[in-house]
Amino acid sequence: DTGVSQNPRHKITKRGQNVTFRCDPISEHNRLYWYRQTLGQGPEFLTYFQNEAQLEKSRLLSDRFSAERPKGSFSTLEIQRTEQGDSAMYLCASSLDRSIISDTQYFGPGTRLTVL
Amino acid sequence: DQQVKQNSPSLSVQEGRISILNCDYTNSMFDYFLWYKKYPAEGPTFLISISSIKDKNEDGRFTVFLNKSAKHLSLHIVPSQPGDSAVYFCAASGAFTSGTYKYIFGTGTRLKVLA
Repeated sequence: DTGVSQNPRHKITKRGQNVTFRCDPISEHNRLYWYRQTLGQGPEFLTYFQNEAQLEKSRLLSDRFSAERPKGSFSTLEIQRTEQGDSAMYLCASSLDRSIISDTQYFGPGTRLTVL
Repeated sequence: DQQVKQNSPSLSVQEGRISILNCDYTNSMFDYFLWYKKYPAEGPTFLISISSIKDKNEDGRFTVFLNKSAKHLSLHIVPSQPGDSAVYFCAASGAFTSGTYKYIFGTGTRLKVLA
């Protein structure tokens, strides 16, 4: 199966520590998205890459968050000096640039972050 | 400001009957709509989509209806099966000025299909 993969699946960390998550998109997909989901809510957009270019960052993405997609393939999301409010499921999605109108995103299994 | 709303947090349906999940949106710039299904501890799984040039799209047991004038879409599942029990998210996208195709999600409806 060559779906979107994310590692690690679970991460428990202490407040103030840095964490990094990895996303491997579907191989031919040039668009990559990060979302965050908290309990009782739908996923919320964090940031978007077209190939290696980061084209949009949400206001949700504070200065402690940084994302990269260095070669237009896998992506990393780093959170520095984690806070308890960062506890959430972090979802990665990818899509193929087929048309302007339709852009079906395929999601990975997510990384569950717990900040103690 | 919740641009995509799913006003029913939960729905219970008897096996074999029709499940109807509803979604309302406020932004008239949205032109592509999707439904995702999510099981606990997994990522959302794509179910079905519809662009604003259509008012209906079918895929097996799943049909999505779009009423642009009412800014409303619905997902029909017929017949409902116990394996359909999950949280269903409605999502919308459009030609945002930023050039991205990010999704705006609703808060989800938990469907329980009773055997």
